[in-house]
Amino acid sequence: GAGVSQTPSNKVTEKGKYVELRCDPISGHTALYWYRQSLGQGPEFLIYFQGTGAADDSGLPNDRFFAVRPEGSVSTLKIQRTERGDSAVYLCASSLIVGGGGTAKENEQFFGPGTRLTVL
Amino acid sequence: GENVEQHPSTLSVQEGDSAVIKCTYSDSASNYFPWYKQELGKGPQLIIDIRSNVGEKKDQRIAVTLNKTAKHFSLHITETQPEDSAVYFCAASRPGGSYIPTFGRGTSLIVHP
Repeated sequence: GAGVSQTPSNKVTEKGKYVELRCDPISGHTALYWYRQSLGQGPEFLIYFQGTGAADDSGLPNDRFFAVRPEGSVSTLKIQRTERGDSAVYLCASSLIVGGGGTAKENEQFFGPGTRLTVL
Repeated sequence: GENVEQHPSTLSVQEGDSAVIKCTYSDSASNYFPWYKQELGKGPQLIIDIRSNVGEKKDQRIAVTLNKTAKHFSLHITETQPEDSAVYFCAASRPGGSYIPTFGRGTSLIVHP
């Protein structure tokens, strides 16, 4: 079946501009996660959704970053007034469920290919 | 918060050799340790995981070991093949409902044919 898809695959923007990054999770997955991966680093957690609500946004670096998932499926990560330091690969993942009550398999996160954001 | 250290950053082996990647973690409450493989231009893919109630787990050519006392865990790949070349990440997560992992910095594994 179809995996997690992310668009665009690459985004180049100028400092100060606004960008939106889109994530289409696996159909039926209730949990959706956003990570940021800088060059030579592991993914860093930003935010995750359970259904439509943001269950944990503790990883968002500042108030320029915001994410929504209005219908509990597609999610959009929004970055205002972009800075050069925002350049990274933004990864999205989804899982069937989220929560300690499920099995590890049900909580397994499936990642998309990422969006490479370059801020000039 | 959790801190995961991973070594080496680069590992070069000949086809057929074994490869070992080691990680340490700081939060003694962490109880779930997944390993991911990331190929160029793709997102990380879970290849094996281990929970704190076991010390070792094996899946064909891949095995993981966990030492909770020392707070370190390792990935072992035997009979390496060129298609094993990728970046490997270890991660740790703690109970609390979300299974959100803290990742290491990654190991770039190169398998020479």
